Amino acid sequence: AQSVAQPEDQVNVAEGNPLTVKCTYSVSGNPYLFWYVQYPNRGLQFLLKYITGDNLVKGSYGFEAEFNKSQTSFHLKKPSALVSDSALYFCAVSRYPNDMRFGAGTRLTVKP
Amino acid sequence: NAGVTQTPKFQVLKTGQSMTLQCAQDMNHNSMYWYRQDPGMGLRLIYYSASEGTTDKGEVPNGYNVSRLNKREFSLRLESAAPSQTSVYFCASTLAGEVYNEQFFGPGTRLTVL
Repeated sequence: AQSVAQPEDQVNVAEGNPLTVKCTYSVSGNPYLFWYVQYPNRGLQFLLKYITGDNLVKGSYGFEAEFNKSQTSFHLKKPSALVSDSALYFCAVSRYPNDMRFGAGTRLTVKP
Repeated sequence: NAGVTQTPKFQVLKTGQSMTLQCAQDMNHNSMYWYRQDPGMGLRLIYYSASEGTTDKGEVPNGYNVSRLNKREFSLRLESAAPSQTSVYFCASTLAGEVYNEQFFGPGTRLTVL
């Protein structure tokens, strides 16, 4: 079985501060990990993915994520948060074709 | 490119009524998916179509049927709606359903069953 957990329902951060949205995964074998963002009344948009290689993955809008195999984590990070980053963020894992599993989501609020 | 489009955007049904949610993509993708999104539960896969002419059950298929009409279109049908099917429904597509491919999502259909 494969699954991801997002331990925080809500993350609040001040504009200009660094942000981290946490994700841990459980999968047998090599994981393929993704981050998506959902703005209000919109569908999910792909941010970045880890397939293999460098543990630090860079994605859209200045976001990056760090893959840590020993801690089975794939945390999303950004050095300096913007108010416009406020949204719902989903971590996902894909171990089998056509079987992407999503976390419950973390609501990020960036305050001015 | 419109990407993935869904109709309708909103729908209210009474228990027992039927309806079809439509989805189309213009990216020449092979694989298409239907998910439901419920608060605190993330997205759950209802059905998918790995390629034109094939469909398979996902995690929560009960109460739903699907049709892959052609390569572009993938519809989801509720034959007899129940209040438990109140949710936001998303269609997604990807070039091929390989584990390393990201998915592209439509804007969603918000369905309320009374």
